[in-house]
Amino acid sequence: EDKVVQSPLSLVVHEGDTVTLNCSYEVTNFRSLLWYKQEKKAPTFLFMLTSSGIEKKSGRLSSILDKKELFSILNITATQTGDSAVYLCAVEAYGQNFVFGPGTRLSVLP
Amino acid sequence: DVKVTQSSRYLVKRTGEKVFLECVQDMDHENMFWYRQDPGLGLRLIYFSYDVKMKEKGDIPEGYSVSREKKERFSLILESASTNQTSMYLCASTSDLTYEQYFGPGTRLTVT
Repeated sequence: EDKVVQSPLSLVVHEGDTVTLNCSYEVTNFRSLLWYKQEKKAPTFLFMLTSSGIEKKSGRLSSILDKKELFSILNITATQTGDSAVYLCAVEAYGQNFVFGPGTRLSVLP
Repeated sequence: DVKVTQSSRYLVKRTGEKVFLECVQDMDHENMFWYRQDPGLGLRLIYFSYDVKMKEKGDIPEGYSVSREKKERFSLILESASTNQTSMYLCASTSDLTYEQYFGPGTRLTVT
């Protein structure tokens, strides 16, 4: 059965800290891995990763995929209170549907 | 264990047909959402609903309508399907308490 596991499920840090969120997966016919940030109502798209070893970067956020070891990490440097959210990892497989992880709830304290 | 189910995993329809996609959640969640996901793009919000009989347009509502007659059920309707509506459709629900979204498995719709 396809599955996506995220860790930790919950994380509390202080402003300025660096955090690493983990996502591991087991799917057949992997197509892409996506990271979302969820605040309030609807998730915001962050990254889509399809190739191993290529880091995607956007400001203080970066992500990388390891297709051999079947995992991805999302790094956030110099965290701010506005980074507090649930971070979702999802995997899409060819010919199949999406599988979402449970999310990591990040709380950044001032 | 939260469950969000969608009526079909795969659907093939012809241009001009009326299409119904159904979503049911069993957690008494207030909020329900319909998204589409296309290659290279993130989730795009089509419509959402905060309560029974209430609906709000998302980012890309054109060509779609929704119905929420019961709290647990949120339907997405394509009045006249077009080929550019070929996509993966994802339903999600949340409670007002946590905002964490629970997603269904998705419906892969092909319009020919």
